Amino acid sequence: ETGVTQSPTHLIKTRGQQVTLRCSSQSGHNTVSWYQQALGQGPQFIFQYYREEENGRGNFPPRFSGLQFPNYSSELNVNALELDDSALYLCASSLGQGGTSPLHFGNGTRLTVT
Amino acid sequence: DQQVKQNSPSLSVQEGRISILNCDYTNSMFDYFLWYKKYPAEGPTFLISISSIKDKNEDGRFTVFLNKSAKHLSLHIVPSQPGDSAVYFCAASSNTGNQFYFGTGTSLTVIP
Repeated sequence: ETGVTQSPTHLIKTRGQQVTLRCSSQSGHNTVSWYQQALGQGPQFIFQYYREEENGRGNFPPRFSGLQFPNYSSELNVNALELDDSALYLCASSLGQGGTSPLHFGNGTRLTVT
Repeated sequence: DQQVKQNSPSLSVQEGRISILNCDYTNSMFDYFLWYKKYPAEGPTFLISISSIKDKNEDGRFTVFLNKSAKHLSLHIVPSQPGDSAVYFCAASSNTGNQFYFGTGTSLTVIP
């Protein structure tokens, strides 16, 4: 069974640039969620994708967007990067939509915005 | 607002003793709870879950207790081992929602 994989592991960008983060879900999982974890904080929900549609969004601005592909892999795109976007971005897959089954996380992408 | 709170940022326990990690929540609609363990440079690893129809769930050395009236859950690790040293997060969701709310974590150190 293949777990959740994320790429890249680390990324450094300049304020105002755009970034794309990628995630392959665990085999058999049809739902992908993205979380942002700032230093010293718990993960914060960005959004969830189920059957290639956004299925809920947290308190993040529209410059955070995403995609889910037919093979359930996913991308997180962030436009017009700000310094406060520096964080660990975690992708998690699960079986079924909603918050009714455990999330299985990848190791994250560490984004630094300078 | 922080709907899930872990008020102890850190905890140290002697190897072989019990570790008790606590978590409080404010939203009475939460009905599904998870505990995660996180090592540095890794993503959170799922440990154990509990739904609101139960007040206890066990998996090996890990037991989670849920007190719905107090809006409190705890994770017991018995016996504690040095490999348990990590940051532990609790998370909560409702069956009408699609996100988990996480606490800020408790860093557990098990002293050999």
